[in-house]
Amino acid sequence: EPEVTQTPSHQVTQMGQEVILRCVPISNHLYFYWYRQILGQKVEFLVSFYNNEISEKSEIFDDQFSVERPDGSNFTLKIRSTKLEDSAMYFCASLQGGGPYNEQFFGPGTRLTVL
Amino acid sequence: KNQVEQSPQSLIILEGKNCTLQCNYTVSPFSNLRWYKQDTGRGPVSLTIMTFSENTKSNGRYTATLDADTKQSSLHITASQLSDSASYICVVIPFTGGGNKLTFGTGTQLKVEL
Repeated sequence: EPEVTQTPSHQVTQMGQEVILRCVPISNHLYFYWYRQILGQKVEFLVSFYNNEISEKSEIFDDQFSVERPDGSNFTLKIRSTKLEDSAMYFCASLQGGGPYNEQFFGPGTRLTVL
Repeated sequence: KNQVEQSPQSLIILEGKNCTLQCNYTVSPFSNLRWYKQDTGRGPVSLTIMTFSENTKSNGRYTATLDADTKQSSLHITASQLSDSASYICVVIPFTGGGNKLTFGTGTQLKVEL
């Protein structure tokens, strides 16, 4: 069964460094998402991406964040200058069609630790 | 602001027992409500999807109910198993016409013990 994959599973970085989190969505899906979950808190929406552009972003998704679909398979989240409070699980999700009843499939997540 | 609140925050039950988890939401209008299961360190996995016009939906031992008038939903788990230990999250999809931004609840941490 097709699944969303994410790499790395765990990333440790120093404050101020840039990190790139990678996701490979399900191949025939058209909509892509990033969410984050700070330890012990609920999952929060960061950004949605469709047709090579951001369709919606939350207030969390400030200028330090960017997303890209550099080729036909990868979907990346870049954090330019990491802060301690960026430490969280980051989940990628993909959706085949745009209708609200379609299901988003989540990847296993990348645990980001900023020291 | 759209909110999704769940109770209880955590729950411990014995294997084989039933339990019911609650969800209250303020998201309006909404197109559908979902229950997800999230194992520790993993991404959420969908259990049920209900439109605003549906009252109940089952998936094996999981049964979700929805009362759109009171803005409440519940997830009933029957004959619990050790593998049911996870966080159960209520998620509401606003009827915005695009983006499919999910509004996540606070989650109920369920532990099933022998």
